[in-house]
Amino acid sequence: DAGITQSPRHKVTETGTPVTLRCHQTENHRYMYWYRQDPGHGLRLIHYSYGVKDTDKGEVSDGYSVSRSKTEDFLLTLESATSSQTSVYFCATLTGPFGETQYFGPGTRLLVL
Amino acid sequence: AQSVAQPEDQVNVAEGNPLTVKCTYSVSGNPYLFWYVQYPNRGLQFLLKYITGDNLVKGSYGFEAEFNKSQTSFHLKKPSALVSDSALYFCAVGASGTYKSIFGTGTRLKVLA
Repeated sequence: DAGITQSPRHKVTETGTPVTLRCHQTENHRYMYWYRQDPGHGLRLIHYSYGVKDTDKGEVSDGYSVSRSKTEDFLLTLESATSSQTSVYFCATLTGPFGETQYFGPGTRLLVL
Repeated sequence: AQSVAQPEDQVNVAEGNPLTVKCTYSVSGNPYLFWYVQYPNRGLQFLLKYITGDNLVKGSYGFEAEFNKSQTSFHLKKPSALVSDSALYFCAVGASGTYKSIFGTGTRLKVLA
């Protein structure tokens, strides 16, 4: 998994509670990404970061925020979890000679009751 | 705008037969094209990519893909399928300078013994 870890790996929470997922990388990659995976939708980009404190929205960013205070850590926060945010969340980094290939973490399975 | 389509939700093939998983794309400019594989309860693993050069790209586990510019396709192929190839396969498209990829909805490959 190219030096990417995610924590927690599984989480069950209740509607309305805040949740933070962590992605940690050891390869000093500049770009980091958060995706969610849902049946029938494939992977959809939530937010991404192109450097410390530099982030931007993806296609499904509503209800999510991110922070990146260090190169190696990218945090995804659900401010007030909803059942529609039940999903599998993947972190990824970008590498390759053209900065083109993504490598993924193992995923976090989140269930919002 | 970039988009990618995987027209088949599932592909079934007998072990030992050739397999094809289809992908078509739309992108402005020259595309970066990728295939990823996901085994159960795992993150996505990079299989192969086309950036430039030879239209036939070879990747991990005996897979290959052919870039066809006129048909805007990047189908994944393998001459002889194995039961262990059964997994979820994702096609993705990116472009130079975008640092983001758009993923298809995935195709589940089932190889029958």
